[in-house]
Parts: sequence; structure tokens; C-alpha cells
Amino acid sequence: QVQLQESGPGLVKPSETLSLTCVVSGYAISNGYDWGWIRQPPGKGLEWIARIHHSGTIHYNPSFESRVTISADTSKNQFSLKMTSMSATDTALYYCARRGQGLAMGAFDIWGQGTMVTVSS
Amino acid sequence: EVVLTQSPGTLYLSPGGRATLSCRASQSVSSGFLAWYQQKPGQAPRLLIYAASTRATGIPARFSGSGSGTDFTLTISTLEPEDFAVYYCQHFGSSPTWTFGQGTKVEIK
Repeated sequence: QVQLQESGPGLVKPSETLSLTCVVSGYAISNGYDWGWIRQPPGKGLEWIARIHHSGTIHYNPSFESRVTISADTSKNQFSLKMTSMSATDTALYYCARRGQGLAMGAFDIWGQGTMVTVSS
Repeated sequence: EVVLTQSPGTLYLSPGGRATLSCRASQSVSSGFLAWYQQKPGQAPRLLIYAASTRATGIPARFSGSGSGTDFTLTISTLEPEDFAVYYCQHFGSSPTWTFGQGTKVEIK
């Protein structure tokens, strides 16, 4: 059973850089699939941030492209997100997720439970 | 960029009722890349439907998706107590990008 678990600092100061990690269990990320990050501000909807293919191909939401970096560490079976210049509007629940395959390739079929990030001084 | 508009914002129904949720795209999209998710309070989204009409693994048959072009629908044929939640539609675009609608909340009447 594939499971994803996010981890992060919880609280970040304005202008600082956020670092998040998603540990994948039950599947080796080097074997396939795409992996992504999605966020959800409190009481609001979902926003896709970035995606990394198991081969290393990366795509970003243009809204974040200038300040995010997604990477993967296959030796630890995890992938990460860094977001610079954090502000209060970046306060959100950050999810990692697996992109489906085949007919489900347009969707995210497995999600982590999310990690809350609050930006405040 | 495709914008997805969901309606209504909130749907008030009773258990046993039928729910019809709408997702309208700002331009014609491939039905192969339209998905629906369910989100309950304090939980991550759960994939319900992909490719507009295919139920994900373990999703009950009372959930069905339909539509094409710019208009898509999620139908819950007979609402169970556990179905009261927020539902999101989502489109996968060619850039690639993933875009979500703003959500429809199904509340108990």
C-alpha cells in the first residue's frame, strides 16, 4: 500500500524559505509515476504547485515558478519542495500527492495527509 | 489557462437525496483529463472520478461522472451520511498544469 507523509517546519517567518519533504512508502519513486505538491489555504480551494517525474522532468505552476524548487532523493525515497520569499498569503495546508497513470494520468490518485504551514513573524 | 467554475457553491440536501454538481470549463477540454475529488473536514482530498466518468478504486457506484466539452457533472444517486463533504473538479492541461474548481459543499438540509 502506497503512502505519502509530508513533513515541514509548521511556522515560517515572512521572507524566509520553506522546505517541505514527502516520504513515500510502499513504492520506490525511481520505478515510476509523477509526484507533486498541492496546497490549500485555510477555508479555500486547492492549488497545484509543482510536479516531478520519476525520470527527473519537472514542471511548475507559472504562479510559483520564480520561487519554488522541487527535487527528489531516490536513495531516501522522498521528494521535496522549497519555496522562497514566503509571505502570509502562503499560509496553507501543503499536500504531496502521486499522479495517476493510464486513464488516471490527469489526476492525483494518492495523497498525503498534509502539513500545515503558517507564515508569521 | 482553463478556469473551472463549480455550481452551486453549497447544495443543501437530505440523506437519501440525489446530488447533482456542475463543473463548467472556460474552454472546451478533453474529458480524458477531468477529475472529481471529495474532501471531508480535516482530511486530504480523495479521488472519486477520473477521465470524467471512471470511478477510482473503491469508490461506490452511487458516484457517477458525466459530461464533455465545457460541461461536466458529478452525480451522487442516493446520499449517504458520509457523502456530506466538499467536492472539487480538476482539469489536467497540456503545459502541463493541474487546475481545480473552487468546490461545491454538500450540506445536510
